[in-house]
Amino acid sequence: DIQMMQSPSSLSASVGDRVTITCRASQTISGYLNWYQQKPGKAPKLLIYVASRLQSGVPSRFSASGSGTDFTLTISSLQPEDFATYYCQQSYSIPRAFGQGTKVEIK
Amino acid sequence: EVQLVESGGGLVKPGGSLRLSCAVSGLTFSGYSMNWVRQAPGKGLEWVSSISSSSSYIYYADSVKGRFTISRDNAKSSLYLQMNSLRVDDTAVYYCTRSDDYYGAEFFQYWGQGTLVTVSS
Repeated sequence: DIQMMQSPSSLSASVGDRVTITCRASQTISGYLNWYQQKPGKAPKLLIYVASRLQSGVPSRFSASGSGTDFTLTISSLQPEDFATYYCQQSYSIPRAFGQGTKVEIK
Repeated sequence: EVQLVESGGGLVKPGGSLRLSCAVSGLTFSGYSMNWVRQAPGKGLEWVSSISSSSSYIYYADSVKGRFTISRDNAKSSLYLQMNSLRVDDTAVYYCTRSDDYYGAEFFQYWGQGTLVTVSS
């Protein structure tokens, strides 16, 4: 089974900061990587699919890149509504593993 | 309006059974694979099970294999999860999601609001 590891597990940042979250797969997953945002008490929301494609309606301050085993999600200028937990997920093989999550908190 | 509405959660004793349902409206159901994803309290997301559009292909996480059964009724636009031999560590919010894809690369665009399953004596 493929394991997904995110780093950091949590971070504190201020509004306007540039934030980068890393996701690493235990084996190559090509570009089969998605990113989700989850706020407390809510269902996850798709942000990015196929490693770098921005889901419709998601602000352009979100971007992502990567291929193979290493991927990044970047928020160019953190906004108050971006404080949430972010998950990566591989869709290369079954089981569809998620990373453990990265909680973005207000500094 | 797109709606995925889960139901059937609740409190059950260890060893008990529960059947979750997910009613889908406002988007196409029959031509898409569907999934269950769960989240234990304060924990991350865990993929549980997937079923293809015609129910030909079914997959489970090792943690639920042999205890949970996924099924669907395309005529009713509904997804189900029969959960037997429930354990305390099955306690979680269970979400149903639809599989979309981009040239074969799957992602979960549509999610329900979740239903809480609590397994406790």
